[in-house]
Amino acid sequence: DIMLTQSPDSLAVSLGERASIKCKSSQSVLYDSNNKNYLAWYQQKPGQPPKLLIYWASTRESGVPDRFSGSGSGTDFTLTISSLQAEDVAVYYCQQYYGTVRTFGGGTRVEIK
Amino acid sequence: QITLKESGPTLVKPTQTLTLTCSFSGFSLTTSGVGVGWLRQPPGKAPEWLALIYWDDDERYRPSLKDRLTITKDISKNQVILTMTNMDPADTATYYCAHRQYDYESDTGGAFDVWGQGTMVTVSS
Repeated sequence: DIMLTQSPDSLAVSLGERASIKCKSSQSVLYDSNNKNYLAWYQQKPGQPPKLLIYWASTRESGVPDRFSGSGSGTDFTLTISSLQAEDVAVYYCQQYYGTVRTFGGGTRVEIK
Repeated sequence: QITLKESGPTLVKPTQTLTLTCSFSGFSLTTSGVGVGWLRQPPGKAPEWLALIYWDDDERYRPSLKDRLTITKDISKNQVILTMTNMDPADTATYYCAHRQYDYESDTGGAFDVWGQGTMVTVSS
């Protein structure tokens, strides 16, 4: 199975400041034939299901604020929140859908400093 | 608008079989490219993918649980059913069903774009 390692486990950021979360894959999730990275980012708030934010590593899901962006390719990816808002407090997960077994990172908790 | 909703028992005993139903609307499991997955999330942990069923009847399972899982679909009812045998307390989790994206331009499957609210299942005697 492809392992995804997220860092940090948690971070506290002041309102309006930038938050960055990293996701490292144990093998490349870039499919050469279509040049797509099979990686997604989800946001999960307490008592709610995960919500898709980013897919194909950098495509924002419809309705997701543009302060959320995804970048990276191959094995190293980043989710960036450009200006943290109070409603962004949540746990964030990366997930790969390249391998037969779809796997998730361990999660990063984002809080307000 | 795509919606999914899970239903099933909240409490099962060890060794029993769990049956969960995912009732969905806003799409058809007869449409090319469509898939519905089951995932679970133990309290305080990351989600874990369990199984997927596709429009063409293809089924995929998490290898470590393959012997215990069966995923089926009932087209007439717009439902996907997951059964898990020989339940153990370690299977205590919130179980979700989710719609899998499909990129028709690239003819390839994607992420889970819409999730149900989930159903908490506790395994205890």
